Amino acid sequence: NAGVTQTPKFQVLKTGQSMTLQCAQDMNHNSMYWYRQDPGMGLRLIYYSASEGTTDKGEVPNGYNVSRLNKREFSLRLESAAPSQTSVYFCASTIQGATASYEQYFGPGTRLTVT
Amino acid sequence: SQKIEQNSEALNIQEGKTATLTCNYTNYSPAYLQWYRQDPGRGPVFLLLIRENEKEKRKERLKVTFDTTLKQSLFHITASQPADSATYLCAPGTGGFKTIFGAGTRLFVKA
Repeated sequence: NAGVTQTPKFQVLKTGQSMTLQCAQDMNHNSMYWYRQDPGMGLRLIYYSASEGTTDKGEVPNGYNVSRLNKREFSLRLESAAPSQTSVYFCASTIQGATASYEQYFGPGTRLTVT
Repeated sequence: SQKIEQNSEALNIQEGKTATLTCNYTNYSPAYLQWYRQDPGRGPVFLLLIRENEKEKRKERLKVTFDTTLKQSLFHITASQPADSATYLCAPGTGGFKTIFGAGTRLFVKA
């Protein structure tokens, strides 16, 4: 099992450019999440998908869109990147569901710099 | 608003000693609390979950306490080793999908 994988690992964008961060999990988890992590701050939830076919806003959704492509894949799109979106982005997944398990499995992260 | 406080200053201890990290929360009543470990350049890794009706939980050299009256959790690593050096995040949860994470405490264990 690869667990949670993310691509790319690093990315540099110019202000106004767009990009999509990809995330996939092979653990048959129902729920998937996108977080950003900035120095001195905790992980902040951008969007989550409770189950295939649903997505909901988290704490800091502005400037982002998501797609739950299927049960395995959850992508995060920046339509017009801004320097304030410079951060490390983590994707995570949990089993959740009727037998709720709150343990989150995280990917290795994508380090994004917007100049 | 819900707030989580972890000591932002790094904790430096000698190998073999017990490391104790603190997590305080305000303005909500979590049903459980999770602890994660994060190494530089990597994603967090789940360590332990303690529920509100559990006062203490252990896993190998790790011990977590959860005091709902004090709104605090303590995370202990006994017989600490240099390999325990990392950032430790706490995440009190209420059972929904929106878990809030603390900023973490950096632990350095010196040989």
